[in-house]
Amino acid sequence: NAGVTQTPKFQVLKTGQSMTLQCAQDMNHNSMYWYRQDPGMGLRLIYYSASEGTTDKGEVPNGYNVSRLNKREFSLRLESAAPSQTSVYFCASSRLANEQFFGPGTRLTVL
Amino acid sequence: AQSVTQLDSHVSVSEGTPVLLRCNYSSSYSPSLFWYVQHPNKGLQLLLKYTSAATLVKGINGFEAEFKKSETSFHLTKPSAHMSDAAEYFCVVINSNYQLIWGAGTKLIIKP
Repeated sequence: NAGVTQTPKFQVLKTGQSMTLQCAQDMNHNSMYWYRQDPGMGLRLIYYSASEGTTDKGEVPNGYNVSRLNKREFSLRLESAAPSQTSVYFCASSRLANEQFFGPGTRLTVL
Repeated sequence: AQSVTQLDSHVSVSEGTPVLLRCNYSSSYSPSLFWYVQHPNKGLQLLLKYTSAATLVKGINGFEAEFKKSETSFHLTKPSAHMSDAAEYFCVVINSNYQLIWGAGTKLIIKP
């Protein structure tokens, strides 16, 4: 099993460009999450999806949108990238209220 | 609201000596707590979790943590550090919406 996969691994954008980060899990988990990790701040939740068909804002949702395409896939979209969105992005999945399993991360730089 | 505080941003120990990474939590009810580890340029891996069973929790790679309700602490320990333990460690609590609340992390440095 692949667990949680993310694409791409690295991305460089110019300010104002858009892109979508893809995430998929093969563990039949109901819940999926998007986090960003910045130095000295731990992980901060951007959006989550408790189950297929639902999405909710986390701690830092501004500038992002998400789509829970099906049970396996949860994508994160930046409509107009800003330098403040330079970060490492992690996708995770879990059964509700249980440990989360993480993807390898996407390192995004916005110039 | 639930929160978690990791008391040290960096901890440096010599190889073969004990490791102590400190975590205090705030929760209005009996929490679920986790420790995750992140090796350089890698993803996050669960070390151990506390879910109101035994207060002393054993994890992978020889780590363990003790839940102390009276002190609202969940410190991570290991009797003897190994070079491969060098990583960043995160203490995490689940809030009432089943979201994970993350500490800022503690970088563990192992001196040869």
